[in-house]
Parts: sequence; structure tokens; C-alpha cells
Amino acid sequence: AQKVTQAQTEISVVEKEDVTLDCVYETRDTTYYLFWYKQPPSGELVFLIRRNSFDEQNEISGRYSWNFQKSTSSFNFTITASQVVDSAVYFCALSEVTSGNTPLVFGKGTRLSVIA
Amino acid sequence: DVKVTQSSRYLVKRTGEKVFLECVQDMDHENMFWYRQDPGLGLRLIYFSYDVKMKEKGDIPEGYSVSREKKERFSLILESASTNQTSMYLCASSEVASGRRGEQFFGPGTRLTVL
Repeated sequence: AQKVTQAQTEISVVEKEDVTLDCVYETRDTTYYLFWYKQPPSGELVFLIRRNSFDEQNEISGRYSWNFQKSTSSFNFTITASQVVDSAVYFCALSEVTSGNTPLVFGKGTRLSVIA
Repeated sequence: DVKVTQSSRYLVKRTGEKVFLECVQDMDHENMFWYRQDPGLGLRLIYFSYDVKMKEKGDIPEGYSVSREKKERFSLILESASTNQTSMYLCASSEVASGRRGEQFFGPGTRLTVL
């Protein structure tokens, strides 16, 4: 069975600090996708990234970066120089890739509060 | 841009009422999903559908049913609402094409309160 664990329930940082959100997953599939979503106070989940299990290259997008380590089954998300607008709940998710119509398995989310 | 809309942002119903939550997507996606979100529990899958008139149970289908008569519309039905169904309900859709496989697009959510 697939499982995603986000051990950090809530994190609070001061603006401009760097923060890393942890994600550990379990799956028996050899190919899978990993995702991060952001849920701001407005409530709508926003897609941030999809990573294929074959691609272990780290990715950077502006202040956001993702570290995928297959050896430790982790897909961590770092925000550099955090801003108040980064305050949200962040979800890590997993899906298999074979069929294209299987649901995502979500972690329970990490609530990030960035204080000015 | 993909647009997923849900019929109501906020809904208040009484115990025992039949409740319909509607979701419409405008990008011809094959897959549609209903989740509920509760504090400390994350997103839990209720039902999903990968084609018209097709449905699959998710992790917590009890007390719910769904209907997908048209590709763009996926309805969640609470046959007899109960207080433990008070929650945020999120609809999502996704396509099968490999370029964006698995990426789900979410609606704004419906916060349902059952009194």
C-alpha cells in the first residue's frame, strides 16, 4: 500500500528564514510520481511540482527547491527567504504512473506560518 | 487554464437531508475525484471516476454516493446527511495524457455544515 508521511504538523518561521518541509513516502511501485501542493487560506489547492521516480535531479524554481532522494524515500521541499505569502498548508502526494487514472495519496499536510 | 468549479462555497444543511454537491470541469479531463478534508486528517478520497458512468470507491465511501452522467460533471450525494459529515469537500480533475499524468486540478471547495 502507498503511504505519505509529513511528520511536521505545523511550522512557524520568521520572514526571510529558510524552511524545509519533510515528506517521506512508501510504495511498492517501481515507477511513481511525487507531488507538492499548496493550500493558501483561500482553500484551493495549487499544484507546485510533479516529479517522476526516474528523475532524481533536484529542482529549483525561484525561492522553491525540491530534494528527491530515492534511497531514503524522501521528497523534501525548501523555501528560501520565506515570505508572509508562503503561509499555507502544504501537501505532499504520491501516485503510480502506469494507468494514468489512479488517485493521489496525500500526506496530512504541514501548516506553515511565516511571521513578519 | 483548467477550471474546476463547485456549486457552493458554503452550505448549511440539517441532519437527514439529502445533499448534492456539484463539480464541473471545463478541460475535458477523464478523471474526477471527491475528497473531504478535516483538520489533522489531510485529504481523504471518497469516490473517483475515470469515465462517464464509471465510479470507484475511495477510502471513505460510506454515507456517500456519486453520479457522473456527463464527462464534465461529477456529483457527490449525501443520501441522509449526518453531523459527522460536516467537513470541507474538494473536487478535483485530471487527465490521462502522459504529459500531465497524475496532476490534479482542484476546485475551491465546499464547506458543508450539518446541524
